Amino acid sequence: EIVLTQSPATLSLSPGDGATLSCRASQSVRSLLAWYQQKPGQAPRLLIYDASNRAPGIPARFSGSQSGTDFTLTIASLEPEDFAVYYCQQRSAWPLTFGQGTRLDMK
Amino acid sequence: QITLKESGPTLVKPTQTLTLTCTFSGFSLSSNGVGVGWIRQPPEKALEWIAFVWWNDDKYYSPSLKNRLSITKDTSRNQVVLTMTNMYPADTGTYYCAHRPLSTIPYYFDYWGQGALVTVSS
Repeated sequence: EIVLTQSPATLSLSPGDGATLSCRASQSVRSLLAWYQQKPGQAPRLLIYDASNRAPGIPARFSGSQSGTDFTLTIASLEPEDFAVYYCQQRSAWPLTFGQGTRLDMK
Repeated sequence: QITLKESGPTLVKPTQTLTLTCTFSGFSLSSNGVGVGWIRQPPEKALEWIAFVWWNDDKYYSPSLKNRLSITKDTSRNQVVLTMTNMYPADTGTYYCAHRPLSTIPYYFDYWGQGALVTVSS
């Protein structure tokens, strides 16, 4: 099973700041990794697919990148609605796995 | 427009069997390259994928839950049914069903139901 380790667990920032969230895979997942955003009481929303592609309707301030088994979600300038929990997920191999999440809190 | 909705009991007793139904619209599970999965989330915890079925009836299960799970599709009713036997209190959480395309972007869970909260307690 591929383990995805997200860091940090919690990130406290202010609107207008840039955010960098990390996800490390325990083995190669090629580029087959996605990022989701989840707000309280809501289902997750797909943000980025295959490491660096924005899903339809996702603002350009969200971007994804990869270096080997390390993946990064960058939010260029935080809007108030961006404070949420973010998960990564791989589709390289069954079982599908999610990271444990990064909570993005407003400072 | 793709929509999904989970339905089933909100409370089950330990050792009982849980049956959840995902009713969807806007796509057909008889179409090539389409699948539906179940993902659960204990309160205040992370997402956990548990089961998946493709249009061609290929099925996948979480290894840790495999012995307790069954996923079936009913293409005529546009439904996917998840059955989990021998429920434990640790199975308490929100259960989501979600659409996943294989042959078109974005290849991941792009449409989700609202979730069904299931509590396991005597």
